[in-house]
Amino acid sequence: DVKVTQSSRYLVKRTGEKVFLECVQDMDHENMFWYRQDPGLGLRLIYFSYDVKMKEKGDIPEGYSVSREKKERFSLILESASTNQTSMYLCASSLIGQPNTEAFFGQGTRLTVV
Amino acid sequence: GESVGLHLPTLSVQEGDNSIINCAYSNSASDYFIWYKQESGKGPQFIIDIRSNMDKRQGQRVTVLLNKTVKHLSLQIAATQPGDSAVYFCAYQGNGNQFYFGTGTSLTVIP
Repeated sequence: DVKVTQSSRYLVKRTGEKVFLECVQDMDHENMFWYRQDPGLGLRLIYFSYDVKMKEKGDIPEGYSVSREKKERFSLILESASTNQTSMYLCASSLIGQPNTEAFFGQGTRLTVV
Repeated sequence: GESVGLHLPTLSVQEGDNSIINCAYSNSASDYFIWYKQESGKGPQFIIDIRSNMDKRQGQRVTVLLNKTVKHLSLQIAATQPGDSAVYFCAYQGNGNQFYFGTGTSLTVIP
């Protein structure tokens, strides 16, 4: 089975801290994604990556950056955490190409910024 | 821009009844659609998918219907069980391999 693992289930950070959220997948997927999930807003794409060292902005990249140094690992970085970044963060991965295949999700990291 | 909408944010059904969850999408070029289930405290899990060359696909107790003319997708769950209580998301794959998600419908099964 595909496994997408996020390093933390719960995090509490202070305003202004630099925060790293780590995600690892074990199925050699090319695509990796970071979403945030907020009540009533669904899943919103922050960044995605289709290859090592490649990244593309999603719908809400402001205040975030990402790093993909290895194919299996995709990190989300909050340069200076703010309270409006309190959210559930979900990492996902998928294959590239045809036929299309679904995205597989990690269990999520609930981040609280105080 | 891209959008995926849900017709109802919440749905309550009696155990044993059938459930229907609806979704509208805006991108007529999309050719791949997915339904996910998210239980409390967990990440979304794949339920069933359908490609644009089909209008119906069945799984175990679930059926997805795709109407490309009106850009509408639905998920039908037969004989709904308490374990089906969750938030259900529709999603489609847009350009560049991105996935776009709806806001979700919260299904509650009443015993």
